[in-house]
Amino acid sequence: RKEVEQDPGPFNVPEGATVAFNCTYSNSASQSFFWYRQDCRKEPKLLMSVYSSGNEDGRFTAQLNRASQYISLLIRDSKLSDSATYLCAYGSSNTGKLIFGQGTTLQVKP
Amino acid sequence: GAGVSQSPSNKVTEKGKDVELRCDPISGHTALYWYRQSLGQGLEFLIYFQGNSAPDKSGLPSDRFSAERTGGSVSTLTIQRTQQEDSAVYLCASTPGGAGNYGYTFGSGTRLTVV
Repeated sequence: RKEVEQDPGPFNVPEGATVAFNCTYSNSASQSFFWYRQDCRKEPKLLMSVYSSGNEDGRFTAQLNRASQYISLLIRDSKLSDSATYLCAYGSSNTGKLIFGQGTTLQVKP
Repeated sequence: GAGVSQSPSNKVTEKGKDVELRCDPISGHTALYWYRQSLGQGLEFLIYFQGNSAPDKSGLPSDRFSAERTGGSVSTLTIQRTQQEDSAVYLCASTPGGAGNYGYTFGSGTRLTVV
C-alpha cells in the first residue's frame, strides 16, 4: 500500500460546482497534513495546512479524519482558475519530511 | 532573497555526463529538501538537511546521486554519469524547522533532460 493515495482524476466539473477530493495515508503517527496546488509546469504551492480537525479558507475547506486516516479538500463555487493538480502531503516530527501523494487533477469547465 | 532560488532553470545534458543543480534557500531556514518529479508523477523525496545534523539520504535512488549543503545555506545536488531515467524536474524546498510543523516553500525547480 502506498504511503499516501489520491485518485488521480481528472475531475471535470462545471463552474460553480462543489467538488471534493480525498487523500488516504498509511502512517498513523502522522502529525501534520497539507494540501498543495500545482499548476502545469510550475512548482507546488501551499494551499492549506490541516493541523487538527480541519481548516477553512474562503471557498476551500480541509478536513482530517484520524480514525479513518484520510484528509479531504472541499472546493465550493469552483472557478476556472481552480483548474490545477492538488497534492496532499503529511509529515511527522520524527521524520522531519513530507510525503506527497500523486495528486488529483481538477478541470473546471465554463 | 524572498524565496527559494534554484539554478539552472533548465538543463539539457548528454547521457554519461555529470550535472550540478543548485538551491539557495530562504534566508534563516534551517531545513532544506530535494525532491524530484517525473512527468505525470508525484514528488519523490531525495534528501533532507536539518541544521548541523547528518542529512537524511534515504531517498537517493543510487550512489550516482549526492548532495551537500555548505555553511548551512546553499545546497548542490550532483548527479554523476547521468542516465535518461534521471530526466525530471528537481525541486528544492526549505522550511524554518522540520516539516512536521511547517509546510514547504518550493523553488521553481530545475528541469533536467538527459539525451
